[in-house]
Amino acid sequence: DQQVKQNSPSLSVQEGRISILNCDYTNSMFDYFLWYKKYPAEGPTFLISISSIKDKNEDGRFTVFLNKSAKHLSLHIVPSQPGDSAVYFCAASAWDDYKLSFGAGTTVTVRA
Amino acid sequence: NAGVTQTPKFRVLKTGQSMTLLCAQDMNHEYMYWYRQDPGMGLRLIHYSVGEGTTAKGEVPDGYNVSRLKKQNFLLGLESAAPSQTSVYFCASSYLFRDRGDTGELFFGEGSRLTVL
Repeated sequence: DQQVKQNSPSLSVQEGRISILNCDYTNSMFDYFLWYKKYPAEGPTFLISISSIKDKNEDGRFTVFLNKSAKHLSLHIVPSQPGDSAVYFCAASAWDDYKLSFGAGTTVTVRA
Repeated sequence: NAGVTQTPKFRVLKTGQSMTLLCAQDMNHEYMYWYRQDPGMGLRLIHYSVGEGTTAKGEVPDGYNVSRLKKQNFLLGLESAAPSQTSVYFCASSYLFRDRGDTGELFFGEGSRLTVL
């Protein structure tokens, strides 16, 4: 049973607009969350992370929001650029765990 | 910097054949992982290692074995390949995960695409 869920398999957005990717988790022990980006024929690369002691973390055009009570996090990309077209994975872990649990991924397509 | 290197990149096997995927990292990371990626399933952990000489099972370990004889290498073996093992396999490594100040990120290789006929 997947503990990290990305219910939108795909997202299409116009260049310059905001992309919002959503992620839900079921394990209440998770307290650290990461987003990875993956281009075809490449390995995933780290994008941004957030600890449960925060509700927001920002890095340039990327912002991750965490709502612990709802067990929900989201990634905002503003403004979206063609190079942002990729698969985005949400991942989570518990403090005493070495492992990341990944969601199924959301494919983002940025239209010119 | 090579980072995490996986060999081979592509392989086609017949059912019942065996093979080994090799992962090598040059970042002196303690932790190493093998994931598989399947459509609609995301990345699922097969096995992992928290240091040289150690291995542990992940979510989907059946049909796979691993070894970590050297800190920089992590091998994934399929003793008798099955069509259900057709997938893209990713190796990853990380520093002492969740250490203070660390982002906790995993560094991934480029992947190995395996097809079992």
